[in-house]
Amino acid sequence: DIQMTQSPSTLSASVGDRVTITCRASQSITNWLAWYQQKPGKAPKLLISKASSLENGVPSRFSGSGSGTEFTLSIRNLQPEDFATYYCQQYNSYWTFGQGTKVEIK
Amino acid sequence: QVHLVESGGGVVQPGTSLRLSCAASGFTFSTYAIHWVRQAPGKGLEWVAVISYDGINKYYADSVRGRFTISRDNSKNTLYMQMNTVRPEDTAVYYCARGKSGGYRDGFDIWGQGTMVTVSS
Repeated sequence: DIQMTQSPSTLSASVGDRVTITCRASQSITNWLAWYQQKPGKAPKLLISKASSLENGVPSRFSGSGSGTEFTLSIRNLQPEDFATYYCQQYNSYWTFGQGTKVEIK
Repeated sequence: QVHLVESGGGVVQPGTSLRLSCAASGFTFSTYAIHWVRQAPGKGLEWVAVISYDGINKYYADSVRGRFTISRDNSKNTLYMQMNTVRPEDTAVYYCARGKSGGYRDGFDIWGQGTMVTVSS
């Protein structure tokens, strides 16, 4: 099974900051990686697929990069609506989520 | 509007059964693989199962294989999850989610609102 490890688990930041979340796969997944945003009591929302392809309607301040085993999600100019929990997911072999990164207000 | 709407959750005793449903609208249901994903209270997301667009291929997480069965009725635009021999650790919000490209190798672009399953005596 492919394991996905996100870091950090919690990130404290202020509006306007640039934040970066890292996701590591236990083996190469080429670029078969997605990022989701989840707010309390809501379903996850797909932000990025294929490691770096932004979904329609997702603000351009979100970006994804990486390949193989290491990936990042970056959010520049953090907005109040961006405070949420973010998950990475691999879909190279079956489907596995990272444990999540909570972006909270500093 | 593209929608997935889950139903069927509730409180059940350990060892019993429950069937979840997921009704689709606004897209051609019969051309998409659909997944079940669950989230235990205060925890992260766990992929549970997937069914191919035609219902022929089904894959399960180790934690539910042999107890849960995924199925679909394309004539009714509905996905199902038969949950047998449930355990307290199956307590979670269960989401159905659409594979973006229709196949397996893509993110999940449409999610339902979730249905809560509580397994407790």
